[in-house]
Amino acid sequence: DVKVTQSSRYLVKRTGEKVFLECVQDMDHENMFWYRQDPGLGLRLIYFSYDVKMKEKGDIPEGYSVSREKKERFSLILESASTNQTSMYLCASRLNRGLANTEAFFGQGTRLTVV
Amino acid sequence: AQSVTQLDSHVSVSEGTPVLLRCNYSSSYSPSLFWYVQHPNKGLQLLLKYTSAATLVKGINGFEAEFKKSETSFHLTKPSAHMSDAAEYFCVVGPFQKLVFGTGTRLLVSP
Repeated sequence: DVKVTQSSRYLVKRTGEKVFLECVQDMDHENMFWYRQDPGLGLRLIYFSYDVKMKEKGDIPEGYSVSREKKERFSLILESASTNQTSMYLCASRLNRGLANTEAFFGQGTRLTVV
Repeated sequence: AQSVTQLDSHVSVSEGTPVLLRCNYSSSYSPSLFWYVQHPNKGLQLLLKYTSAATLVKGINGFEAEFKKSETSFHLTKPSAHMSDAAEYFCVVGPFQKLVFGTGTRLLVSP
């Protein structure tokens, strides 16, 4: 059974802290993604990675960075957490077959609260 | 550029009645289209995907979607709603690596 695992379901951090969200997939997928989910806004792409050490900005990258040192692991970093980064964070992975219709697989999400 | 519009933020139905969740898309290329469902406090689960083999796509739990190129639509339907269908549904477009999500439709099912 395919699996995308996020290291925490719930996190509470203080303003200004550096925060690491970890995601691991066991499907040997090339593509990995970090989304942020907020009510009424759907899922918005923060960053994605199409290979080890490769990354591209999504629609809302400000205040975030990412790291992909190994194919199976994709980390999201909040350099200095702020209250407006309180949200649900979802990691996903997807097989790269060019234009083919491969679906993304999602983790359970991390609900981050910044106080 | 790609985009997707879910035309209703909330849809309310009674158990046993049909469900229609509407989605329009925009894509410069032949689109990949998906519907995902998210139950409360759960991750996203794939309901169905358009593969270009057939315009009527069958998914899990009795859901279907019809791809209409002329209308740039990919509406999700189910003949008879069940209480367990209450959830948030996302229409998604993406022929390349990135997937673009709609803002979601919350389906409410009353007894």
